[in-house]
Amino acid sequence: DQQVKQNSPSLSVQEGRISILNCDYTNSMFDYFLWYKKYPAEGPTFLISISSIKDKNEDGRFTVFLNKSAKHLSLHIVPSQPGDSAVYFCAASHNTNAGKSTFGDGTTLTVKP
Amino acid sequence: NAGVTQTPKFQVLKTGQSMTLQCAQDMNHEYMSWYRQDPGMGLRLIHYSVGAGITDQGEVPNGYNVSRSTTEDFPLRLLSAAPSQTSVYFCASSYADTYNEQFFGPGTRLTVL
Repeated sequence: DQQVKQNSPSLSVQEGRISILNCDYTNSMFDYFLWYKKYPAEGPTFLISISSIKDKNEDGRFTVFLNKSAKHLSLHIVPSQPGDSAVYFCAASHNTNAGKSTFGDGTTLTVKP
Repeated sequence: NAGVTQTPKFQVLKTGQSMTLQCAQDMNHEYMSWYRQDPGMGLRLIHYSVGAGITDQGEVPNGYNVSRSTTEDFPLRLLSAAPSQTSVYFCASSYADTYNEQFFGPGTRLTVL
């Protein structure tokens, strides 16, 4: 039973356009959601997060939206740049276990020049 | 700060051999975790620790052992390596406050023949 799902294994967009990466979760106990970015042969790095008391969080070109009723979140990257090409992981946790997260399988984003 | 460091970067073992993957962090983080990533999949939690002397099992703990004698170090021991343990292993750390992102090491690529 996968509690965090990223149903699109890959996404390809043109430079300058918007990239939208999606994530669904099933565990209603999750109250904190994170996106990590991973380049080949490196560890994941934190990108942006959102707590369940918000429905949107913005950081520069990156915005995360949370729809609690649908148990769905999305990451928007505008405008997309070739350096954004990486694997993006969605992760979820709850405050009683802040040190561990449940990860989705990742979406490989390719931004074409 | 070096952040989270892992050694070795690469390792090849024969079935039945044992070894220890090393992980250290210099950020005084209370929480430390071990994940494995198999091809096309997300990160799955093996073991985690909320502080020195305290460890707990994650999603896939079988065949692995951990201990946490200091805040800085969190080694992962493979007791008797099996081909199913071929994977990339990531160590992560974070503060103990309720909502915090994890900082990941660069990973150890392990092959068991």
